[in-house]
Amino acid sequence: GAGVSQSPSNKVTEKGKDVELRCDPISGHTALYWYRQSLGQGLEFLIYFQGNSAPDKSGLPSDRFSAERTGGSVSTLTIQRTQQEDSAVYLCASSLGRGGSYEQYFGPGTRLTVT
Amino acid sequence: AQSVAQPEDQVNVAEGNPLTVKCTYSVSGNPYLFWYVQYPNRGLQFLLKYITGDNLVKGSYGFEAEFNKSQTSFHLKKPSALVSDSALYFCAVRDMGGEVFGKGTTLSVSS
Repeated sequence: GAGVSQSPSNKVTEKGKDVELRCDPISGHTALYWYRQSLGQGLEFLIYFQGNSAPDKSGLPSDRFSAERTGGSVSTLTIQRTQQEDSAVYLCASSLGRGGSYEQYFGPGTRLTVT
Repeated sequence: AQSVAQPEDQVNVAEGNPLTVKCTYSVSGNPYLFWYVQYPNRGLQFLLKYITGDNLVKGSYGFEAEFNKSQTSFHLKKPSALVSDSALYFCAVRDMGGEVFGKGTTLSVSS
């Protein structure tokens, strides 16, 4: 079946502009995660959605970052007033649930470059 | 809070030799441990996981990992490395909360 998809694959934007990144999880996966991967920094957790529960936003680095998940499926990560330090690869992952033994399935990522 | 450490930024090994990528963890309860691999310009792929039971876990592409509770380690191993194993490897740990990833180890296998 189809894996996790993300769009766009690459995004170049000017400093100060807003960007939206999209994630389409695997059908039936109730958990959805966003991560940021910067060179030499590993994976930085941003936000997590589980079903209809309130999202875990504990990893969002500033109030310029927000995310929503519509209908328990597609998710959009929005970065407002982008800064150069926001340049990174943004990864989305989904799993059957959170906690326990569920592994995550990752999308190919969106490479964001802020000029 | 849980944490995970990958002490080596890079591991170099010759093709055909055994490889080990190290991971140590810290959790308050029983851990769930995972290894993921990221090939160049691709997303992360699940390799294997330890939940409970046998300390030696076998996964994809001939990889295995050994859970050692006393040393709080979960090292990734392969008896004979391939050039195609060259990639970025992430260890992750989870207790009752979310998953925490290590910073990653770059494995370079030379022919």
